[in-house]
Amino acid sequence: DAKTTQPPSMDCAEGRAANLPCNHSTISGNEYVYWYRQIHSQGPQYIIHGLKNNETNEMASLIITEDRKSSTLILPHATLRDTAVYYCIVRVYNQGGKLIFGQGTELSVKP
Amino acid sequence: NAGVTQTPKFRILKIGQSMTLQCAQDMNHNYMYWYRQDPGMGLKLIYYSVGAGITDKGEVPNGYNVSRSTTEDFPLRLELAAPSQTSVYFCASSSDRGGYEQYFGPGTRLTVT
Repeated sequence: DAKTTQPPSMDCAEGRAANLPCNHSTISGNEYVYWYRQIHSQGPQYIIHGLKNNETNEMASLIITEDRKSSTLILPHATLRDTAVYYCIVRVYNQGGKLIFGQGTELSVKP
Repeated sequence: NAGVTQTPKFRILKIGQSMTLQCAQDMNHNYMYWYRQDPGMGLKLIYYSVGAGITDKGEVPNGYNVSRSTTEDFPLRLELAAPSQTSVYFCASSSDRGGYEQYFGPGTRLTVT
């Protein structure tokens, strides 16, 4: 699976959009981008995934560049409860058991 | 649905003892996983299973064993516990359809002294 690079930490003001970048320059054509988050030592929580088109769900939006070498997770109106470590993971779509977690980005949402 | 449940929540083991961490899911998922997370680090995959009777190693399988006799349960066995196995253990499950998104349990915090 392709390796990902994320900034170790970011701050965001409450109510503003949080934009979390991820670099995956070695991504292959059959690999998807997944985002998970982990709130204070709880089990990680799935957020969103995509292949090449932008995706949106009730939690977030995922923007993938045209060359697919990077992506951005957007939390449109960050709240204090969004403070967490966010993991960007690249993996083959139908490959069971192959979530490889990196260090993630620690997002702090401040009042 | 209870989702993914894990027992116990906390456990302290002495070096050389053995124990089994329990994991169960009620979502009829075929795929199940065990991860460990050391302080300040990301999760590392220990073992996974794509169905009853089928298991495979992840990144860090040494010192652990698994079995999968039913769809619902995926226990993780620690034999001869070592201090290096002090960690938080997460179990997860996913469907083998759709997005393969994984659902995680609350974790078991294990200390080996």
